[in-house]
Amino acid sequence: KAGVTQTPRYLIKTRGQQVTLSCSPISGHRSVSWYQQTPGQGLQFLFEYFSETQRNKGNFPGRFSGRQFSNSRSEMNVSTLELGDSALYLCASRRQQPYEQYFGPGTRLTVT
Amino acid sequence: EDKVVQSPLSLVVHEGDTVTLNCSYEVTNFRSLLWYKQEKKAPTFLFMLTSSGIEKKSGRLSSILDKKELFSILNITATQTGDSAIYLCAPGGSQGNLIFGKGTKLSVKP
Repeated sequence: KAGVTQTPRYLIKTRGQQVTLSCSPISGHRSVSWYQQTPGQGLQFLFEYFSETQRNKGNFPGRFSGRQFSNSRSEMNVSTLELGDSALYLCASRRQQPYEQYFGPGTRLTVT
Repeated sequence: EDKVVQSPLSLVVHEGDTVTLNCSYEVTNFRSLLWYKQEKKAPTFLFMLTSSGIEKKSGRLSSILDKKELFSILNITATQTGDSAIYLCAPGGSQGNLIFGKGTKLSVKP
């Protein structure tokens, strides 16, 4: 069974630009969660989507948004990029129950 | 506010040693606790614990949850250099989102 895939793997953007990251979950998994990982803050939850609906949201500004499509693929968008948005963005998928989430390889975003 | 504290933050041991990693938590509407191993890539799932006192085992790794005292431990016996990684503890609430601790960085020396 194929794992969670994320594209692109690496990205360099300039302050003020916007970026869209993509995540394809494991087949049969309907829930997709997004996390930001930085050396200082560790892994922080951004949001979760289930059946195309945002089910839960972490404590991030409105510049961070996402969506999920009918095939469970998900995209995350960050607008007006700031230097502090440089991080590894991880996507994880799971079935609705149980809660074990499986992570993709991540997208390393660098904002200059 | 939800809180997860892992200890120690880092640990250096020699091959063959046994280690115990700790995780204490305060999470609203707690449902389960997950352990992950992270090397230079994405976290890899190890265990999910939902009931107190039931030990989960996988080879040299085992974990147990205490829902009354709000903590979990991860044991690794006969450590190997391949066990070197950051071990992350992540309790989850009823909404499904995981709250990650800062992790324990384990270094196993030959």
